[in-house]
Amino acid sequence: SQQGEEDPQALSIQEGENATMNCSYKTSINNLQWYRQNSGRGLVHLILIRSNEREKHSGRLRVTLDTSKKSSSLLITASRAADTASYFCATDRGSTLGRLYFGRGTQLTVWP
Amino acid sequence: DAGVTQSPTHLIKTRGQQVTLRCSPISGHKSVSWYQQVLGQGPQFIFQYYEKEERGRGNFPDRFSARQFPNYSSELNVNALLLGDSALYLCASSLTVSYLSGYGYTFGSGTRLTVV
Repeated sequence: SQQGEEDPQALSIQEGENATMNCSYKTSINNLQWYRQNSGRGLVHLILIRSNEREKHSGRLRVTLDTSKKSSSLLITASRAADTASYFCATDRGSTLGRLYFGRGTQLTVWP
Repeated sequence: DAGVTQSPTHLIKTRGQQVTLRCSPISGHKSVSWYQQVLGQGPQFIFQYYEKEERGRGNFPDRFSARQFPNYSSELNVNALLLGDSALYLCASSLTVSYLSGYGYTFGSGTRLTVV
């Protein structure tokens, strides 16, 4: 069953704008990860944020985590056409075994 | 270094047939996981193997089986294929069975299976 719920399901913006995607989950977690997928290909790992962290940065990406609200957000600043992809959040549901539970994803389209 | 390699990239099978998908993890990675991604959905966990032992199994029927070899490569087998098995099958590798070390998984490009 799906764990995370990303919203919006689809997001369309112009190059240079910021894109914000949200993820909500239902159980306790150890970590939360964000992945990108281009056109039904493999997933690319973007960021992992631990449950005791509140914010993490990687280049143009900023991830926040609010465990009290069981939610996370992914911000992509100064979007580029190449950022067009589906973005998924994944959690471990508190398990240490490494199994990931993914949401349905947000389809981001960045127009030139 | 080569990433996670999956073969074949595309496959068309008939209902009732059997299929074997293959995955080679990143060199040094001992854990391999398999995920199924149906069109429009997020990936769903099928199996995880570590050091040739099954460490986890998702909610999939017994028609799905897998194994890991001494070189840490892995095969996913699906018997008695159904139309609903049509999906992108993703393989992910990691150093250990747990990613509490802080590293995410590295996924392959997947095998697109179409059952007709």
